[in-house]
Amino acid sequence: DSGVTQTPKHLITATGQRVTLRCSPRSGDLSVYWYQQSLDQGLQFLIQYYNGEERAKGNILERFSAQQFPDLHSELNLSSLELGDSALYFCASSVTGQGYAEQYFGPGTRLTVT
Amino acid sequence: AQTVTQSQPEMSVQEAETVTLSCTYDTSESDYYLFWYKQPPSRQMILVIRQEAYKQQNATENRFSVNFQKAAKSFSLKISDSQLGDAAMYFCAYRSATIAAGNKLTFGGGTRVLVKP
Repeated sequence: DSGVTQTPKHLITATGQRVTLRCSPRSGDLSVYWYQQSLDQGLQFLIQYYNGEERAKGNILERFSAQQFPDLHSELNLSSLELGDSALYFCASSVTGQGYAEQYFGPGTRLTVT
Repeated sequence: AQTVTQSQPEMSVQEAETVTLSCTYDTSESDYYLFWYKQPPSRQMILVIRQEAYKQQNATENRFSVNFQKAAKSFSLKISDSQLGDAAMYFCAYRSATIAAGNKLTFGGGTRVLVKP
């Protein structure tokens, strides 16, 4: 158990819908990362937050957005869902947002868009 | 942008034998970190080993060791005395040490390791 929690574990929804994935980082970690693992794109970085502010952005679609709240939990919002958005979405956390800081991964949320 | 390439989609190894997984990367940076992650059927991402680019000594963690060749931009993982529990997908990953880049990980496509009893 990495100490990072993600809810829900599984999510099935229809095209065009909107969903919210939630992540709670390890106690004491200030930085949160979101990654997407799909058959087509492999594992790719989406976005990073540090202490409530966006720190780095990857290949995140405009239909996707994220935020980190004052209690440091983070949410990833996916809207106008398409079949291709079906993937495993990982959240990871680290103590800091720079320098060497190991990232601890949550168990992931499996999203299926039908 | 940095890229990470794992040329072996799948490797098979006999229990107790040794297997080596290949990874090459492309970067113009001189300071960075390299990682190997294991993803078992549970899908959990588990850090196996890491290497700092400024260190010449190859990292070792129990039965796992790496061969880091900075000039060749190569970072292979050797699993010795393979066990059934080693069966998983293995991902090579790169992380820049540049502050502006944040801490994002760039992953290779993965290598599936099968362990035969």
